[in-house]
Amino acid sequence: QQQVKQSPQSLIVQKGGISIINCAYENTAFDYFPWYQQFPGKGPALLIAIRPDVSEKKEGRFTISFNKSAKQFSLHIMDSQPGDSATYFCAASINNFNKFYFGSGTKLNVKP
Amino acid sequence: GAGVSQSPSNKVTEKGKDVELRCDPISGHTALYWYRQSLGQGLEFLIYFQGNSAPDKSGLPSDRFSAERTGGSVSTLTIQRTQQEDSAVYLCASSLGSGRYNEQFFGPGTRLTVL
Repeated sequence: QQQVKQSPQSLIVQKGGISIINCAYENTAFDYFPWYQQFPGKGPALLIAIRPDVSEKKEGRFTISFNKSAKQFSLHIMDSQPGDSATYFCAASINNFNKFYFGSGTKLNVKP
Repeated sequence: GAGVSQSPSNKVTEKGKDVELRCDPISGHTALYWYRQSLGQGLEFLIYFQGNSAPDKSGLPSDRFSAERTGGSVSTLTIQRTQQEDSAVYLCASSLGSGRYNEQFFGPGTRLTVL
């Protein structure tokens, strides 16, 4: 049973457009939500993370929106660039645990 | 020095054989994690080490899987009597401490193919 559900599986966006990836969870004990970026042949790398006491976190062109009541969170990539083409994973973890539950990933392709 | 390294980068084996996958964490990182990434799937947690101890082995899929860490550094994931469903990319990550807010740095993975 997947603890974190991610959509879409793949996404094609034109350069300069907005990329939006969504994740949903059921376990209300989750309290830390990171996003990872993975390029082919590389391990995932932490991109941005949010805690549930805020509804939004922005770092450069990347923004996480968090809706606690809906148990959903999303990654927005503004002004998407071809260099953003990668697979993105959302994740969630529970207080004091070191186990992360990952979504199934979204393969983003930004067309020049 | 460099980031997390894993070896081999690719491993092809026959069903029923044993395999060993190695992870060298970033120097000074006390926590080490193993994940499995199957095609089209997210990362599946396997096991976590704090120092040489494994407080959480809950993700190991079966008793054919085992892992150890020695000297608080290198870790080895062993899969005995490999099955075709074991084919996946095995990722290792390390972090400075054991708290969940400590960023995990991932290695490039070992791609295991079981024929």
